Amino acid sequence: GAGVSQSPSNKVTEKGKDVELRCDPISGHTALYWYRQSLGQGLEFLIYFQGNSAPDKSGLPSDRFSAERTGGSVSTLTIQRTQQEDSAVYLCASSFGGADTEAFFGQGTRLTVV
Amino acid sequence: QQQVKQSPQSLIVQKGGISIINCAYENTAFDYFPWYQQFPGKGPALLIAIRPDVSEKKEGRFTISFNKSAKQFSLHIMDSQPGDSATYFCAPGNFGNEKLTFGTGTRLTIIP
Repeated sequence: GAGVSQSPSNKVTEKGKDVELRCDPISGHTALYWYRQSLGQGLEFLIYFQGNSAPDKSGLPSDRFSAERTGGSVSTLTIQRTQQEDSAVYLCASSFGGADTEAFFGQGTRLTVV
Repeated sequence: QQQVKQSPQSLIVQKGGISIINCAYENTAFDYFPWYQQFPGKGPALLIAIRPDVSEKKEGRFTISFNKSAKQFSLHIMDSQPGDSATYFCAPGNFGNEKLTFGTGTRLTIIP
């Protein structure tokens, strides 16, 4: 596709359930980021993938959060045993790599844990 | 960890006025200074960016001013319009940084 695609766009889940959020980056982009944004707040960094390097997981808030990127393309963010405080918009971005290149964001997945 | 500080946190400007948002950073090796714009319900998108070989860049009503010695850069929006109401993020960096570091964001509201 022409841009970063995220699915689903909205997800309502019950507390304690696991959820998977998908990100399809722009073709050819080696870097992929996941961010979390609570209502009216800034961008909370979660995880960063760059090429074949080990991902930077320093932003993951707990061990309930994990992410993988298969074949250097599609990424899945998994949240296990969801809690109400996990409710937020999860944004994915991709770029050609490095902090001096433009990052392209998807529309996000709005997660609501009830 | 890189420190990037934005100010103000929120800003209200009358239509036609000038909006100014500031970004302060610590890493003197940064050589890329972008501003991202985010509308409600959308992901951020690059608005304008500058490299340190120039002190100012203008694109339409949007201008970046860069002050290397002060380690600051700012976004100026001239003739601010209600359609400019959005959240703005700076994200300075360079090739040596592994990942983007976004500022805390500034919520701009333009009132008629």
